[in-house]
Amino acid sequence: EADIYQTPRYLVIGTGKKITLECSQTMGHDKMYWYQQDPGMELHLIHYSYGVNSTEKGDLSSESTVSRIRTEHFPLTLESARPSHTSQYLCATVPGGTGNTIYFGEGSWLTVV
Amino acid sequence: AQSVSQHNHHVILSEAASLELGCNYSYGGTVNLFWYVQYPGQHLQLLLKYFSGDPLVKGIKGFEAEFIKSKFSFNLRKPSVQWSDTAEYFCAVNPYGQNFVFGPGTRLSVLP
Repeated sequence: EADIYQTPRYLVIGTGKKITLECSQTMGHDKMYWYQQDPGMELHLIHYSYGVNSTEKGDLSSESTVSRIRTEHFPLTLESARPSHTSQYLCATVPGGTGNTIYFGEGSWLTVV
Repeated sequence: AQSVSQHNHHVILSEAASLELGCNYSYGGTVNLFWYVQYPGQHLQLLLKYFSGDPLVKGIKGFEAEFIKSKFSFNLRKPSVQWSDTAEYFCAVNPYGQNFVFGPGTRLSVLP
């Protein structure tokens, strides 16, 4: 099991605010991911990173940005939150190499009012 | 484009009933296959996975899945469900050297 910590777990903020969702992992996994998931719906990949200073956009277009300055840290930032950003954001990791399992954090629930 | 489909959006069963959740994928190369479960209010957890070898794999909590390569399928089964199996189930495919692709999920409701 990978230890993946996401903060905050729950956040309600006003429209136009800047927010950063934190994701940290302690296992030294190379690959990290951010997924967006609405309740009862499928997961959409919005960002991923294969290592330090490597970030890519996922399949679902997102106005958020990410950074990967350290292996263990992969924060996601929304410069100006909107109600359409209301969702659950899941951070995940995969060890380096092929044929590995993806591990998920507990998620951050974001509500923009 | 690669995709993963799950046959049912919502399945409702009584306790002790047998379960089979369908999963099909569209990718012709080497893939690793997974089933994940998301209990209410909890994070996604691995149920079982197939990388190679015996196409019938066993996971936690009495779940098993069978990989049928010719049908591009990886169906999840459990002989007798319990109320505690109520959850969302996601099939996932990891094509070799690429990112994971998840299915849309199947919600399972088990009635006591």
